[in-house]
Amino acid sequence: NAGVMQNPRHLVRRRGQEARLRCSPMKGHSHVYWYRQLPEEGLKFMVYLQKENIIDESGMPKERFSAEFPKEGPSILRIQQVVRGDSAAYFCASSPLGQGNTEAFFGQGTRLTVV
Amino acid sequence: DQQVKQNSPSLSVQEGRISILNCDYTNSMFDYFLWYKKYPAEGPTFLISISSIKDKNEDGRFTVFLNKSAKHLSLHIVPSQPGDSAVYFCAAREIQGAQKLVFGQGTRLTINP
Repeated sequence: NAGVMQNPRHLVRRRGQEARLRCSPMKGHSHVYWYRQLPEEGLKFMVYLQKENIIDESGMPKERFSAEFPKEGPSILRIQQVVRGDSAAYFCASSPLGQGNTEAFFGQGTRLTVV
Repeated sequence: DQQVKQNSPSLSVQEGRISILNCDYTNSMFDYFLWYKKYPAEGPTFLISISSIKDKNEDGRFTVFLNKSAKHLSLHIVPSQPGDSAVYFCAAREIQGAQKLVFGQGTRLTINP
């Protein structure tokens, strides 16, 4: 039973390029959460999605960031026109129910470096 | 606005002794608290949780205590082992079915042989 899979593990982008981060939840999990961790800080909630629906995006920056979780395929976090401040570790988590009822399982993260 | 605070960035403990990690929160709407452990270059791993209706939860070497009046929780690890060396994050969830966790900044625990 594979865990939460994130790819790529490391991503380097030049300023102004687009970054696409992928997350495949654990089998049977229909809830996905994205968190961002800046250096020396804790994880900050970005967005909560169910299949084909964005449930809570209160932690997402208003511009350049978007997320989706299509009916088929992984969840995607997309960052357009990346800037140096986007450099961080991005973690995806999944749960079978809403996270309020059970702990979420995290992937290993994607480390984005903007040069 | 840091609603969950871990004021000790690091903690060093002798192997076999007790490790106590602390966490304070400000939001009285939090009703569920979790501790995660994180190794470098890996994602957080769930350790133990506690509901606000309890004041203690124990799982093997790990015990979490909750003091609601003080808005404080702590994680006790006893006896501490070298494999416990990691960054520990405290996290909290709001009531009413909110789905996001609010994390503290983390405490780096080092267990010395």
